[in-house]
Amino acid sequence: NAGVTQTPKFRILKIGQSMTLQCAQDMNHNYMYWYRQDPGMGLKLIYYSVGAGITDKGEVPNGYNVSRSTTEDFPLRLELAAPSQTSVYFCASSYDSNWNTGELFFGEGSRLTVL
Amino acid sequence: DQQVKQNSPSLSVQEGRISILNCDYTNSMFDYFLWYKKYPAEGPTFLISISSIKDKNEDGRFTVFLNKSAKHLSLHIVPSQPGDSAVYFCAARKRTSGSRLTFGEGTQLTVNP
Repeated sequence: NAGVTQTPKFRILKIGQSMTLQCAQDMNHNYMYWYRQDPGMGLKLIYYSVGAGITDKGEVPNGYNVSRSTTEDFPLRLELAAPSQTSVYFCASSYDSNWNTGELFFGEGSRLTVL
Repeated sequence: DQQVKQNSPSLSVQEGRISILNCDYTNSMFDYFLWYKKYPAEGPTFLISISSIKDKNEDGRFTVFLNKSAKHLSLHIVPSQPGDSAVYFCAARKRTSGSRLTFGEGTQLTVNP
């Protein structure tokens, strides 16, 4: 199993450009998440999904959109990129039977720079 | 409003000694606490967790202690090894929030040979 796969690993955007960060998992997990990590700030939840067709906002959703058309894929869309969106983005997944522990499985991250 | 806080950005210890990483939280609705470990250019990986109904959980060299009255938890690593050098994140979950976790800022642990 590949686990959680994120693409691209690195990307430089100009202000105002748009892009999609891809995330796929092959563990048949129902729950998927997007977090961003800024230096010294820990991980902040952007959006999450509890299953195909269902998404909801996290702590910092502004400037982002998501969709969940399949169990496996959870892309994150950045519209009109701004320097404040420079960050490392992590996609994660969990199976709902993990609710007892809350364990998440993370991808390797996508480093985005907006200039 | 930082509900989970790790006040030490970094910690340096000698190989073979104990590493103690600390975490404080403010929300009494948290019912599960987790520690994640993160190496550079990799995603966080789950290390150990503890339920709010317990005060200690041990897994090999790693032990997590929970003091609910003080809203404080700590991760002990004994003995510390150079391969333990990484960023450690404390995270907490509210049962009503499913698997959504609230993370602390992280502590960079360096274990010197």
